[in-house]
Amino acid sequence: QVQLQESGPGLVKPSETLSLTCTVSGGSISDHYWSWIRQPPGKGLEWIGYIYSSGSTNYNPSLKSRVTMSVDTSKDQFSLKLYSVTAADTAVYYCARGGQVVITSFDPWGQGTLVTVSS
Amino acid sequence: QSVLTQPPSVSAAPGQKVTISCSGSSSNIGNNYVSWYQQLPGTAPKLLIYENYKRPSGIPDRFSGSKSGTSATLGITGLQTGDEADYYCGTWDSSLSSGGVFGTGTKVTVL
Repeated sequence: QVQLQESGPGLVKPSETLSLTCTVSGGSISDHYWSWIRQPPGKGLEWIGYIYSSGSTNYNPSLKSRVTMSVDTSKDQFSLKLYSVTAADTAVYYCARGGQVVITSFDPWGQGTLVTVSS
Repeated sequence: QSVLTQPPSVSAAPGQKVTISCSGSSSNIGNNYVSWYQQLPGTAPKLLIYENYKRPSGIPDRFSGSKSGTSATLGITGLQTGDEADYYCGTWDSSLSSGGVFGTGTKVTVL
């Protein structure tokens, strides 16, 4: 079955750029929506945005000015960049698969990776 | 800040039933599918219910979902100690600021 794995630095300095990659295994990245979702410690889930395998994107309006997502179908990977981070961006970041035509749910999810913003 | 409201916590004894509500609006729950996720301590969320009431393969029928108007409900029957977790509803918001939205989360405690 499809599995997702996040990778990237666990510590980012304030004002710098958070960069994460999600690797898809057990299936193709093609013809699906792929999302990033985060969860600050002890808090709820926040949708960051999605990228379709063709490269089209949609971002959470509250983060839109600081987010870029990209996809590399040759490697079955998609990536997240979050610019100008602050301590408020400290969270566990998850990647997840959406639907093929529309997103009606997220399944499966990666195990998540904790990113701490601190100097 | 979540746009979907859930009770912070619910509890019941083993074998009993709990229900978790998820309240939204016409721009989200009212016109889009609802999904539910279980997050066991220290783990990633797991899909329990999609498209309002459907269960993925491997999810027991003790878990059920329903939707009416701008609210949705998750039911868990035959409560087990392994069901102790945080539960989140999710849907799409079709307003000008469209995108995925999640509920505030509900902690289920098995007494």
